[in-house]
Amino acid sequence: GAGVSQSPSNKVTEKGKDVELRCDPISGHTALYWYRQSLGQGLEFLIYFQGNSAPDKSGLPSDRFSAERTGGSVSTLTIQRTQQEDSAVYLCASSLGLGGHNEQFFGPGTRLTVL
Amino acid sequence: AQSVTQLDSQVPVFEEAPVELRCNYSSSVSVYLFWYVQYPNQGLQLLLKYLSGSTLVKGINGFEAEFNKSQTSFHLRKPSVHISDTAEYFCAVSVRNNQGGKLIFGQGTELSVKP
Repeated sequence: GAGVSQSPSNKVTEKGKDVELRCDPISGHTALYWYRQSLGQGLEFLIYFQGNSAPDKSGLPSDRFSAERTGGSVSTLTIQRTQQEDSAVYLCASSLGLGGHNEQFFGPGTRLTVL
Repeated sequence: AQSVTQLDSQVPVFEEAPVELRCNYSSSVSVYLFWYVQYPNQGLQLLLKYLSGSTLVKGINGFEAEFNKSQTSFHLRKPSVHISDTAEYFCAVSVRNNQGGKLIFGQGTELSVKP
């Protein structure tokens, strides 16, 4: 069956512009996670959703970052007024439910480059 | 708070040789433990996980890991590596009994298998 998909696969933007990154989780997966992978910081948790609600936003690095999930499915991560330090690969993962015992399935990521 | 340390950033090894990738973690509460693999330009794939029970865990592609609570370690091993095992490997933890299940990753170990 289909895995987690993310779009776009690559995004180049100019500093100060807003960007939207999309994640389509595996059908039936109620939990959805966003992570960021960068050279300096490694793999960092950003936010997770259970259904459409986000109980833990503790990893969002600044108020320029926001995310939403609609219909318990697709999620969008928005970065406003992008900065060069936002350049990274943004990974989305989904799982059947919350809790660390549930395997998280990862998408291929969106590579964001801020010029 | 939890943290994960992967002691080697790069591990070069010859084909058919054994390999061990080291992982230590720090946590004041019980955790689940994971190893993920990331092939070039791909997302993360779960290799194996320790939730409970036997401390020796077997995963895909011939990998295994042993949970050592006293040493807070979860080292990954393979008795004979192949060229196709060349990839980056990430150790991760999530807090047991935490509803969210977010993953906290180590910095990664790049395994390079040479002919």
